[in-house]
Amino acid sequence: EAGVAQSPRYKIIEKRQSVAFWCNPISGHATLYWYQQILGQGPKLLIQFQNNGVVDDSQLPKDRFSAERLKGVDSTLKIQPAKLEDSAVYLCASSELGYGGHNEQFFGPGTRLTVL
Amino acid sequence: AQKVTQAQTEISVVEKEDVTLDCVYETRDTTYYLFWYKQPPSGELVFLIRRNSFDEQNEISGRYSWNFQKSTSSFNFTITASQVVDSAVYFCALSDPSGGYQKVTFGTGTKLQVIP
Repeated sequence: EAGVAQSPRYKIIEKRQSVAFWCNPISGHATLYWYQQILGQGPKLLIQFQNNGVVDDSQLPKDRFSAERLKGVDSTLKIQPAKLEDSAVYLCASSELGYGGHNEQFFGPGTRLTVL
Repeated sequence: AQKVTQAQTEISVVEKEDVTLDCVYETRDTTYYLFWYKQPPSGELVFLIRRNSFDEQNEISGRYSWNFQKSTSSFNFTITASQVVDSAVYFCALSDPSGGYQKVTFGTGTKLQVIP
């Protein structure tokens, strides 16, 4: 079974530029998560989708971050414009529905973003 | 509000020693799930275990064991006879049904270094 795919793996941009990350979850997984992980910290949830609807985006800086999940499958996370403090690893994860919703998450390899 | 505390930032042990990683959580819900994930140097988080709030039975899987105590809101993880391959950052996470969907909060992680 293929895992969660993310691209690119690494990205270096100047501040105020735009960047987009792509995620392809495990086939059949209804729930998709985007996390931001700053060096030395735990993953911080940015946005959570269930199918193609948003269930939680309370920690997403909506003035600069946006995300979409087309047709309930792939997802794109965009930052526009980027700030220095956005330098982090962006993790995508997916999980199945069922089990009361408390399923383990399967993570992708992440995209390491450096903002100069 | 839910919270996960991993007070140990970094631990170093010599190979074959036993080591316990602590996790303390806070939640107002009576139904919740606890998880442990491993993040090796490659960066991809890997699921280790899930426990629900109604099952306080300890679990053992090979060299890994988990001790869940609701009375102290703790879910500690012990590695017996540690090996160099156990070197990683370990995250404890809490999932509860806030707002009718699975809301996951990660701790800040404990970095384990196993010295040969």
